[in-house]
Amino acid sequence: DVKVTQSSRYLVKRTGEKVFLECVQDMDHENMFWYRQDPGLGLRLIYFSYDVKMKEKGDIPEGYSVSREKKERFSLILESASTNQTSMYLCASSSLGGVPYGYTFGSGTRLTVV
Amino acid sequence: ELKVEQNPLFLSMQEGKNYTIYCNYSTTSDRLYWYRQDPGKSLESLFVLLSNGAVKQEGRLMASLDTKARLSTLHITAAVHDLSATYFCAVGMEYGNKLVFGAGTILRVKS
Repeated sequence: DVKVTQSSRYLVKRTGEKVFLECVQDMDHENMFWYRQDPGLGLRLIYFSYDVKMKEKGDIPEGYSVSREKKERFSLILESASTNQTSMYLCASSSLGGVPYGYTFGSGTRLTVV
Repeated sequence: ELKVEQNPLFLSMQEGKNYTIYCNYSTTSDRLYWYRQDPGKSLESLFVLLSNGAVKQEGRLMASLDTKARLSTLHITAAVHDLSATYFCAVGMEYGNKLVFGAGTILRVKS
């Protein structure tokens, strides 16, 4: 069964901490994505990557960075966590062009910054 | 810029009733996806629609795509409580690898 695995289901961090969210996929997908989901705001794209060491900003990249050193792993980094980054974070992957299956999502990381 | 609009955003239904969720999008695309999300969980793929006129069915849910009208529908037949969830449509951009998501429709089926 194909999988996108996010390293933590729940995470609590303090303001100002550097936070790493890890995502690993086993489908040999080229594309990987990080979204955050907040009530009433839907899914907002933070960053995506279409190849190793390649990254592109999404709609809300401020306060975040990413790393993709290997094809299967895409990390989201909160350089200095703030309370407004409390959210559900979803990682997804897809084959080139997204066809035919669209995205496969990980189980999500609920991050609370206190 | 591709925009995806879902309506309604909230739907409260009685068990046994039928209803349709609509997904309109603003620019050309021939790839449309429907996802389901249960509370506190991630998104699960429901349907993949890749051509004009495509229709897919799974149980009480049926999805269709009209690329000329830039419209997809998700039809619910004889709703049951287990269908309560949030449903998202997502449209593939004409160029590139990204999907643009609708805001989601929260469905509550009351017994």
